[in-house]
Amino acid sequence: GAVVSQHPSWVICKSGTSVKIECRSLDFQATTMFWYRQFPKQSLMLMATSNEGSKATYEQGVEKDKFLINHASLTLSTLTVTSAHPEDSSFYICSARDLTVHRGENIQYFGAGTRLSVL
Amino acid sequence: EDQVTQSPEALRLQEGESSSLNCSYTVSGLRGLFWYRQDPGKGPEFLFTLYSAGEEKEKERLKATLTKKESFLHITAPKPEDSATYLCAVQVFTGGSYIPTFGRGTSLIVHP
Repeated sequence: GAVVSQHPSWVICKSGTSVKIECRSLDFQATTMFWYRQFPKQSLMLMATSNEGSKATYEQGVEKDKFLINHASLTLSTLTVTSAHPEDSSFYICSARDLTVHRGENIQYFGAGTRLSVL
Repeated sequence: EDQVTQSPEALRLQEGESSSLNCSYTVSGLRGLFWYRQDPGKGPEFLFTLYSAGEEKEKERLKATLTKKESFLHITAPKPEDSATYLCAVQVFTGGSYIPTFGRGTSLIVHP
């Protein structure tokens, strides 16, 4: 299957600093990438949909100024958590959609996730 | 409002004890139902895609089926390594994009 690389896997930062998370599709091109947040024992909460070359679409309740998304190429999207606070501590996961079209398949492949801890 | 409900929330099985996980959905214009496996602290791993009622797919001890209202993930003779959280997601086409909605998952523990 397709591989999505997410980096870093774990980051600890001080309150007020910004953290950048990278998501790369390694062996396929992805015009669309998704960013999720997952709380312990909860499902994935979609934060935003990132489209290459255009502005991201944020879900209701997600602050676009706090969670900056850039999708500069067909293989890279970044999520920057600006001025992070302890309540932003969470598990962030990205996914990339393979452009392969077979019977309309649009399979999302996920990165390994980033554990963010804000002190 | 579109909804995806997975049951049971948690399931404990003995090795070799077959069972099924359920994913029921109420969406308009389904464009695919996906099953993923997620291990603790990791991202979801793609298992299956189903698109039309009656469709079935198999992979090793797993078999996924789809009806107009729900999907089942059947696990035959599970092994301890099958222990994980299994996530179901439905995808609809809205606003010019395919948007996925995930269920809360079923946490499966298989005891040796």
